This record gives sequence, C-alpha cells and structure tokens, in this order.
Amino acid sequence: AQKITQTQPGMFVQEKEAVTLDCTYDTSDPSYGLFWYKQPSSGEMIFLIYQGSYDQQNATEGRYSLNFQKARKSANLVISASQLGDSAMYFCAMREYMRAGKLIFGQGTTLQVKP
Amino acid sequence: NAGVTQTPKFRVLKTGQSMTLLCAQDMNHEYMYWYRQDPGMGLRLIHYSVGEGTTAKGEVPDGYNVSRLKKQNFLLGLESAAPSQTSVYFCASSFDRGLGSNQPQHFGDGTRLSIL
Repeated sequence: AQKITQTQPGMFVQEKEAVTLDCTYDTSDPSYGLFWYKQPSSGEMIFLIYQGSYDQQNATEGRYSLNFQKARKSANLVISASQLGDSAMYFCAMREYMRAGKLIFGQGTTLQVKP
Repeated sequence: NAGVTQTPKFRVLKTGQSMTLLCAQDMNHEYMYWYRQDPGMGLRLIHYSVGEGTTAKGEVPDGYNVSRLKKQNFLLGLESAAPSQTSVYFCASSFDRGLGSNQPQHFGDGTRLSIL
C-alpha cells in the first residue's frame, strides 16, 4: 500500500503567489516525522521542513510552512511568495519511529514558477 | 563543509560488469542509507546501516551489496550490473531516529549510473 501519496504530478504558480503542494500519508505508528525535500534540476536533495507527529503547531521555515492535519493524515507544503528559484521537484517523505529512521518518499510534485 | 560526498558522479557500465559506489560523510552520523531514484518515482531505499559494521536490507535490495567497515563510509556494490539498475543513486546520512527526532537525512549529490 502506498504510504506517501502526492497526487499532483505537476503544478504551475505565478511568481510572488503562494502555492500548496499536497501530501497524504498512511501509518499505524503513533510516532513519526514528515519531511519535505526540494530537488532542483541540478539533482541534489535539499531539506526544507520537518513536522513531528506530536508537534502541536504547524512547522514554519522562512517562506515554507507545513499545513499538518493529523486526523486527515495530510502534510501539505505551503510556499509563500513564490520565486523563480522555487521551480523544482518537491518530495514529501515520512519516517516512522519503528522503522530505523528510514524515509519513505512520495513520487514527487514538479513545481514551475512563471514570471 | 563537505557533508556527504559520493564518488563517482557519473559512470557507464556494460551489462555484467561490477562496480562500487563510495559514500563518505564527515558529520559523525550513525545512520547511513543508499537510495535509487528512477524517472517519475520518488527515492527507494536499497540498503541502510545503523552503525559501523551493521547493514540491513531496504525496499529494493536485490542485485546490490553494501558494507560499512568504517563509520564515515558506506559502500554500495553491484556485482553483475543489469540494465534495470540504470538509475541515479543517492547516499544519505543522519543522526539517531529517537522519538521526536527532527534530524533530517543529509544527501549526497547523487551518482548517475547507466548500464548498457
């Protein structure tokens, strides 16, 4: 069964606008963490933001925020004030406490920012 | 500021050849991982290690072997390369997996491997 689902293969956003990238997950482990990574066309994986299952507040890191809805098992990434440099592939990933720190990745969403 | 270093960055092999990919990290991380990334897919875990001298299978281990003789190095081997192993390979490392740990995995820049 798919543990991490990213339903948007590709997204477009106008520069300076906000965009939400969807991520839903499935786990029976009460302790888990959710990560978002950015992969630009150069190929490296860049860590963006983390949300723990016990965190009471949504995580924020600069222009990135995570809309965490635990009951719905969703962890959407919100990018505010999009920039041309935000054009990249974005991956949602989950780490379950009982799985030795291993990350399970979604299939990714390609974001293109239009000038 | 080396972080995680992968060598080589590119390699072309013929079917049946063998090779070893090297991953080195200088962050004193206990955990190390090898992933492969195929077009249109997220990263899939091949093998991982929770400490020096230990290794374990991930999601797609067939056709690969690994070794972690030193804490800072994690080697991925292909004994007899097959075209299905054409992929981009990523190494990653992290601190512990403790409850509530927010430590992300740090990734190398990847190795692009083509098997003809």
